[in-house]
Amino acid sequence: DVKVTQSSRYLVKRTGEKVFLECVQDMDHENMFWYRQDPGLGLRLIYFSYDVKMKEKGDIPEGYSVSREKKERFSLILESASTNQTSMYLCASSPVRNLNEQYFGPGTRLTVT
Amino acid sequence: GDSVTQMEGPVTLSEEAFLTINCTYTATGYPSLFWYVQYPGEGLQLLLKATKADDKGSNKGFEATYRKETTSFHLEKGSVQVSDSAVYFCALSDRGSTLGRLYFGRGTQLTVWP
Repeated sequence: DVKVTQSSRYLVKRTGEKVFLECVQDMDHENMFWYRQDPGLGLRLIYFSYDVKMKEKGDIPEGYSVSREKKERFSLILESASTNQTSMYLCASSPVRNLNEQYFGPGTRLTVT
Repeated sequence: GDSVTQMEGPVTLSEEAFLTINCTYTATGYPSLFWYVQYPGEGLQLLLKATKADDKGSNKGFEATYRKETTSFHLEKGSVQVSDSAVYFCALSDRGSTLGRLYFGRGTQLTVWP
């Protein structure tokens, strides 16, 4: 089974802190994604990566950065957390060969106080 | 650009009722279409998919048919169960792209009462 794991299920941080969200997949997938999920807004793409050290902005990249130093790991970084970044963060991965089907992690619920 | 519009919820049904969740799409190419489900406290998981016009995806009693003429991919189930309570997302991807990006609808919350 494909497994996508996220470092924390719940996280509480203070305004201005630097926050790291980690995602690891074990199926050698080329593509990885970070979304945030908010009530009434669905899933919004923050960043994605199609190869090691490669990244592309999604629809809402402001206030976020990413790092992909190894194929299996994709990190989302909040440089200076703000209260409007309180959200559920979902990581996903997909193989290029499989019609873009994505596999999701369980999510990290981040609260910024 | 590519986008998905799905019926807003919440949807509340009694057990064994018929379910339809509407989904329409806009795409410049020839997309693949998906329904994902998110159970409480979990990430999304693929429910079913269709890759070309007139294909029918099915899984766990759910069905959806890719209708190019109406640009739709409505989700249906003949008899829902309490365990079907979840959020359902319609999504599309551009088959011509290897970047693997999916475009999601806003999600529809389904609650089924016994």
